Amino acid sequence: GAVVSQHPSRVICKSGTSVKIECRSLDFQATTMFWYRQFPKQSLMLMATSNEGSKATYEQGVEKDKFLINHASLTLSTLTVTSAHPEDSSFYICSARDPADSGNTIYFGEGSWLTVV
Amino acid sequence: QKEVEQDPGPLSVPEGAIVSLNCTYSNSAFQYFMWYRQYSRKGPELLMYTYSSGNKEDGRFTAQVDKSSKYISLFIRDSQPSDSATYLCAMSATGNQFYFGTGTSLTVIP
Repeated sequence: GAVVSQHPSRVICKSGTSVKIECRSLDFQATTMFWYRQFPKQSLMLMATSNEGSKATYEQGVEKDKFLINHASLTLSTLTVTSAHPEDSSFYICSARDPADSGNTIYFGEGSWLTVV
Repeated sequence: QKEVEQDPGPLSVPEGAIVSLNCTYSNSAFQYFMWYRQYSRKGPELLMYTYSSGNKEDGRFTAQVDKSSKYISLFIRDSQPSDSATYLCAMSATGNQFYFGTGTSLTVIP
């Protein structure tokens, strides 16, 4: 299956600072990437859909000015958590769809643990 | 009503047992069905993919889709402790939006 890489896997930042998480499709070009947040023992919560070369589509309730998403190339999307606060601490996961994959399925990155102190 | 319903468990079985995991859904337009396995503190890993109705087998795993009943299943034969994880079902109508179950936590006891 396709490979999606996410970096960093863990990051600790101070309250009020910004942190960037990268999501890369390693062996395919992803026109669409998805960003999720997951709280302990809960399912994935879709935050936004990122389309290469255009603005991300955010889900209701997700602050677009706080969670900046950039999808500048077909293999890279980034999520920047701006002015992070302890309540932003969570597990963030990206996924990508391989348009050449007739299976119409999505592949996930390894996830990034963000801790805001 | 949620698009996808999945019993969160937890489910605990002895090693070697057959495990049955299920999801129901409400949108008859769904035609792409996936099962993901997620270990603690890791991203989900694609296990099985099925298009439309029918069965698909891969080693110890069998995925079934019954579109008439809007019901999908994942069977794990000869379950192993390494199968202990959370299993997420996912589905899509067009491949542009994906809907996930809440996940079922499975523990296989040696």
